[in-house]
Amino acid sequence: KAGVTQTPRYLIKTRGQQVTLSCSPISGHRSVSWYQQTPGQGLQFLFEYFSETQRNKGNFPGRFSGRQFSNSRSEMNVSTLELGDSALYLCASSLGTVTDTQYFGPGTRLTVL
Amino acid sequence: QKEVEQNSGPLSVPEGAIASLNCTYSDRGSQSFFWYRQYSGKSPELIMFIYSNGDKEDGRFTAQLNKASQYVSLLIRDSQPSDSATYLCASRRANAGKSTFGDGTTLTVKP
Repeated sequence: KAGVTQTPRYLIKTRGQQVTLSCSPISGHRSVSWYQQTPGQGLQFLFEYFSETQRNKGNFPGRFSGRQFSNSRSEMNVSTLELGDSALYLCASSLGTVTDTQYFGPGTRLTVL
Repeated sequence: QKEVEQNSGPLSVPEGAIASLNCTYSDRGSQSFFWYRQYSGKSPELIMFIYSNGDKEDGRFTAQLNKASQYVSLLIRDSQPSDSATYLCASRRANAGKSTFGDGTTLTVKP
């Protein structure tokens, strides 16, 4: 089975711009979760989509949003970028039950200048 | 206090030794626990998961869970230089999509 894919892998933006990141989960997985990883804050949960519905949300401002399509692919959007948004953005896919495992994609490295 | 706490490290062990990584969690509603390994510049890779009290072994890795003490550990036997990485402990509640991660423990295995 192909793993989780994320595009693009690297992105450089300037403050105030917006960005869209994409995640394609493992075939058959209906849950996609997004995380932000920074050296100072570690891995923090952004949100989870399951069957096109946001099922869980972390403590991030409304500038961070997402959606999921009928084929389970998910996109994450960050509007009005700030310097502090520079991070590795990871998506993880799973079947969607509490006991299954999440598999991470390679991540998108976002740099905000 | 963070929901998931890991010993800060770094941890250094000689090749062939046992590496012991520890994690405590504060949310008694946590139902499943995961250990991920993350190499520098890479994404986390799942090593072990455990749901029930006791030990779970997979090759050189043993995960231990004690829900009464809210404690999870990972033992790596016969440590190899390739085990050098940051190890992340994660917990998950019934709302399945959110995992809460510790800050990680960096392990170095010296040849």
